[in-house]
Amino acid sequence: DSGVTQTPKHLITATGQRVTLRCSPRSGDLSVYWYQQSLDQGLQFLIQYYNGEERAKGNILERFSAQQFPDLHSELNLSSLELGDSALYFCASSQGRGTAPYEQYFGPGTRLTVT
Amino acid sequence: GENVEQHPSTLSVQEGDSAVIKCTYSDSASNYFPWYKQELGKRPQLIIDIRSNVGEKKDQRIAVTLNKTAKHFSLHITETQPEDSAVYFCAASLSGSARQLTFGSGTQLTVLP
Repeated sequence: DSGVTQTPKHLITATGQRVTLRCSPRSGDLSVYWYQQSLDQGLQFLIQYYNGEERAKGNILERFSAQQFPDLHSELNLSSLELGDSALYFCASSQGRGTAPYEQYFGPGTRLTVT
Repeated sequence: GENVEQHPSTLSVQEGDSAVIKCTYSDSASNYFPWYKQELGKRPQLIIDIRSNVGEKKDQRIAVTLNKTAKHFSLHITETQPEDSAVYFCAASLSGSARQLTFGSGTQLTVLP
């Protein structure tokens, strides 16, 4: 168990819908990262938050957005869902202080299926 | 941006043999290189990492080597066991405010009993 939690574990929804994925980082970690894992794209970085502020954006679609709350949990919002958005969505957390890279620990993921 | 290439994509070894997975990266400023093990349907699990000021790091049967000049790093697993069977991902990261991981495409390791 990495200490990172994600809910829900599974999500099945229809095209055009909107969903919210939730992540709670390890105790003491300030940085949260979201990654998407699909069969054809591998593990892709989406977005990073540090202590409530957006720090970096990767290949995140405009239909996707995220935020980190004062209690440091984070939510990833996916809207106008398409079949191609079906994937495993992972959240990872790290200490994040200073500028040196820290170990990132992954949550169990949310499997999103768009039908 | 950073690009990480990983080889081979699949690797089968006999139990007890060694396995080597290789990665190359493009951004010479990258300075942190973790390796993750992922079992089917599970989370990526950090198994070992190395920073650019170190050439080699060992943890029991697992070792990682880094060649900064050639911009490549490798994972070595000795005395492989069936429970080592999984997908292994290498990754690279920069220092600074944005420290996201750029992953390789993964290696499916199968250890045959």
